[in-house]
Amino acid sequence: KNEVEQSPQNLTAQEGEFITINCSYSVGISALHWLQQHPGGGIVSLFMLSSGKKKHGRLIATINIQEKHSSLHITASHPRDSAVYICAVRQNTGNQFYFGTGTSLTVIP
Amino acid sequence: GAGVSQSPRYKVAKRGQDVALRCDPISGHVSLFWYQQALGQGPEFLTYFQNEAQLDKSGLPSDRFFAERPEGSVSTLKIQRTQQEDSAVYLCASSPRWAGAIYRANYGYTFGSGTRLTVV
Repeated sequence: KNEVEQSPQNLTAQEGEFITINCSYSVGISALHWLQQHPGGGIVSLFMLSSGKKKHGRLIATINIQEKHSSLHITASHPRDSAVYICAVRQNTGNQFYFGTGTSLTVIP
Repeated sequence: GAGVSQSPRYKVAKRGQDVALRCDPISGHVSLFWYQQALGQGPEFLTYFQNEAQLDKSGLPSDRFFAERPEGSVSTLKIQRTQQEDSAVYLCASSPRWAGAIYRANYGYTFGSGTRLTVV
């Protein structure tokens, strides 16, 4: 039952590196979310995509609907970007979200 | 309030005990979701409310799990006769719009910090 697959599972980067996290999904979707979860457990919604590309500060999210694939990019990474990044899709036939298992990112100064 | 508030933050229950987890969504938010997140896993959908109506409870793992939102604001997730496999973080999320509405660019979800339930 893995409707959403993320890679890599764990990622360690040096400060300043360009980071890419990938998400593939197998169901038809109405939207894809990228979420950020900090060690305390709180989740913040970073992006919501249904097509194309969105940019917010150093974060860029892209989606290819035909290929059922999305990427989250972080430019000029910083230690405060260290968190778990979760890809979630909302299936177009219901109200459910399906979540990836997350990518644990550690940015080293 | 400013965000989605969940309580308690941590709960330790003895196996067989009943527990109640509370979610206070952002005032006026129509949609409310409960998710279960096991250690090292992504959240999994449990149930969804639109105002006071529970429109989808297909994710509840057994009849020991029960959720309610009687006045369309605060929601309670109750787990009866807890078992060790119920140990997880229970997340609540709310949204200002109807989940069935046409998707809009500013249609966002806010998550609470979760309740970490440990059954011993």
